[in-house]
Amino acid sequence: KAGVTQTPRYLIKTRGQQVTLSCSPISGHRSVSWYQQTPGQGLQFLFEYFSETQRNKGNFPGRFSGRQFSNSRSEMNVSTLELGDSALYLCASSSFDSGKSYNEQFFGPGTRLTVL
Amino acid sequence: DAKTTQPPSMDCAEGRAANLPCNHSTISGNEYVYWYRQIHSQGPQYIIHGLKNNETNEMASLIITEDRKSSTLILPHATLRDTAVYYCISLSGYALNFGKGTSLLVTP
Repeated sequence: KAGVTQTPRYLIKTRGQQVTLSCSPISGHRSVSWYQQTPGQGLQFLFEYFSETQRNKGNFPGRFSGRQFSNSRSEMNVSTLELGDSALYLCASSSFDSGKSYNEQFFGPGTRLTVL
Repeated sequence: DAKTTQPPSMDCAEGRAANLPCNHSTISGNEYVYWYRQIHSQGPQYIIHGLKNNETNEMASLIITEDRKSSTLILPHATLRDTAVYYCISLSGYALNFGKGTSLLVTP
């Protein structure tokens, strides 16, 4: 099976712009989560989608939004970019198999966003 | 979700066992303990998880104390490729709350 893919891998934007990042989960996985990783704050949870519905949301401003499509692919959008939004954005997918005690999350390689 | 505490860094000689401790004293009865690792410039990788009993898989062993307030991840024969940041996480939902983790350096 192919792993989680994220596009683009690298992105440079300027303050005030908006950006859309894409994530394709592992085939059959219906849960997609997004995380932000910065040197200062570490890995922080943004939100999680399952069957096109947002189930969980982290403590981020409304400039950060996401969506999931019927094929489980997901996008996240950041509007009015700030310098502090420079980070590695990671996507993870999970199979949500009720027969297992927990469904481990499989991470993609991330999108490195630089805001100038 | 319970807060986890890990030492910031550890060293281990190649071929020896690496024992990574984690304190999760506020863990509740239905919260699992999970371990992930992140090798430089890659996405985090799932290692193992457990609730009450000790667990073992092809990557590692997880020892959870009887009171569930702490656990230890054991890499039985560390290799240079095990150099990474190891995260101990506890939660009861679907959001992984990563702390600072332990930076493990495996030396030749």
